[in-house]
Amino acid sequence: EVQLVESGGGLVQPGGSLRLSCSASGFAFSSYAMNWVRQAPGKGLEYVSAITNIGGITHYADSVKGRFTISRDNSKNTLDLQMSSLRVDDTALYYCVTVYSGSYFYWGQGTRVTVSP
Amino acid sequence: DIQMTQSPSSLSASVGDRVTITCRASQSISTNLNWYQQKPGKAPKLLIFAASNLQSGVPSRFRGSGSATECTLTISSLQPEDFATYYCQQTYNSPWTFGQGTKVEVK
Repeated sequence: EVQLVESGGGLVQPGGSLRLSCSASGFAFSSYAMNWVRQAPGKGLEYVSAITNIGGITHYADSVKGRFTISRDNSKNTLDLQMSSLRVDDTALYYCVTVYSGSYFYWGQGTRVTVSP
Repeated sequence: DIQMTQSPSSLSASVGDRVTITCRASQSISTNLNWYQQKPGKAPKLLIFAASNLQSGVPSRFRGSGSATECTLTISSLQPEDFATYYCQQTYNSPWTFGQGTKVEVK
């Protein structure tokens, strides 16, 4: 059974940092590109960041560029998102997703990040 | 970035109704269009990929069609478990972008 389990969310003040992690199991993690997608409370889905299967190429939404860093460890089947200089509008549920056949095939259940004074 | 606009933003329907949701792209995206269903408190679920291909396990009452700048999701006979929010997503250009969502509610 495929599982993506996010962790690391929490409450942080503006300007602070958090590191999100996603632990993957049940599929060949190293064969797939991975993304982070977020959903602000009551809002729609927003792409955040992407990384290729071996981690050689990364990409970021303009809204997080220069503040967030995506990385992966294929030996541990983990995906991370280091978030710094957090803003109130970064408040959201952050999903770890697997890219397969041009779609977001597998989703985790999300980890909640709240940025508030 | 390619802008995706869904219509309507919400709709009220009854069990057994035929429901159609439209997704328009700000430029041609060929058939690089996916549809997701999201229920409250749950992660989105892939329904249709490449505009018209039904994901394994998805009931055949869901149908995707269209190409270029306009795609549609049709639910032929709405079932109680179909009340949810639906999102389109273009994967023609990076960054992959979503429509704002269409909430299907009970009439």
